[in-house]
Amino acid sequence: AQKVTQAQTEISVVEKEDVTLDCVYETRDTTYYLFWYKQPPSGELVFLIRRNSFDEQNEISGRYSWNFQKSTSSFNFTITASQVVDSAVYFCALSEAGRGAQKLVFGQGTRLTINP
Amino acid sequence: EPEVTQTPSHQVTQMGQEVILRCVPISNHLYFYWYRQILGQKVEFLVSFYNNEISEKSEIFDDQFSVERPDGSNFTLKIRSTKLEDSAMYFCASSPWGGGYTFGSGTRLTVV
Repeated sequence: AQKVTQAQTEISVVEKEDVTLDCVYETRDTTYYLFWYKQPPSGELVFLIRRNSFDEQNEISGRYSWNFQKSTSSFNFTITASQVVDSAVYFCALSEAGRGAQKLVFGQGTRLTINP
Repeated sequence: EPEVTQTPSHQVTQMGQEVILRCVPISNHLYFYWYRQILGQKVEFLVSFYNNEISEKSEIFDDQFSVERPDGSNFTLKIRSTKLEDSAMYFCASSPWGGGYTFGSGTRLTVV
């Protein structure tokens, strides 16, 4: 069975600090996708990234970066120079990488609060 | 950019009433999904749908729930007799062949 663990329930930092959100996953699949979503107070799920299990290269997008370590089954997310607008709940998710319907298994989420 | 549209954005219903949540997936997508998020909790998979039938469902998706694609564009989730514990945000999603997910903005269901 697939499982995603986000051990950090809540994180609070001061603006401009760097912050890392942890994600550890379990799966028996040899190929899979990992995702990060942002859920602002308005409630929608905002897609941030999808990473294929074959691609272990780290990715950077502006102030966001992701570190995928297959050896430790982790897919951590770092926000550099955090801003108040980054305040949200962040979810890590996992799906099997097939060609059919692929359900997402979500972690419990990390509530990130950026204080001015 | 194409989007998944959900209506209504918020629905209040009396306990025991039937409710239908509506979704319009992206037109060239093949797979459709419903997820549920109880307030303050994680997002949970309910059901996936392909080729006019359910391809997978979770334990949550019991006989109270049903899904339908009544025409070429809509995808609906019906809850037959709502309970207080059905209060949640319901997300619809769709994906094309080969992966990639798009979520709708959700319907907040409140059962009173």
